Amino acid sequence: AQTVTQSQPEMSVQEAETVTLSCTYDTSESDYYLFWYKQPPSRQMILVIRQEAYKQQNATENRFSVNFQKAAKSFSLKISDSQLGDAAMYFCASSSFGNEKLTFGTGTRLTIIP
Amino acid sequence: AAGVIQSPRHLIKEKRETATLKCYPIPRHDTVYWYQQGPGQDPQFLISFYEKMQSDKGSIPDRFSAQQFSDYHSELNMSSLELGDSALYFCASSPPGGSKQFFGPGTRLTVL
Repeated sequence: AQTVTQSQPEMSVQEAETVTLSCTYDTSESDYYLFWYKQPPSRQMILVIRQEAYKQQNATENRFSVNFQKAAKSFSLKISDSQLGDAAMYFCASSSFGNEKLTFGTGTRLTIIP
Repeated sequence: AAGVIQSPRHLIKEKRETATLKCYPIPRHDTVYWYQQGPGQDPQFLISFYEKMQSDKGSIPDRFSAQQFSDYHSELNMSSLELGDSALYFCASSPPGGSKQFFGPGTRLTVL
């Protein structure tokens, strides 16, 4: 079984600044994936970034990057140059290789301050 | 690019009624997942299908059933609806050998 923990229910950041959202996870699997999903007020679930656990290099997608610490089972999301459109609920999630159902954390609500 | 289609987008039912939610995955995606997101909660996995066969089952009530058809669309059937079934129901699909799931816009079910 996998568990995902997000300890920050809410975060806020000034527009154009950088913010880091935290996530820890637990799994007994050796091969797994980690994700960050964004859920704006429209409630659409949007994939932000994916990390394959066997890759040591941190994933990056434009202004979004992760800090993957496998030994610590930590997977944080860094958003650079925050924009108003980044305001949303952010869910950290995990899945196993060969069984890709997603296990989500409880989410972090990110507010962007103009 | 084509996305996952869910219908209806909104559904209002009375207690003890039946509801059917439909999902049309992205073309050439072979796996479909269903998730339930209650108010203020994270999405919870219900059930998945790979190549029209059930591949995994989560915390899905016995009142719910689902299937995937020959054209890969999937339907979630919910009977004897309860107030607690009010939620946003997501369908997601993934391509062959892929770990990325692409979510549909969701069906908001309200049970009165």
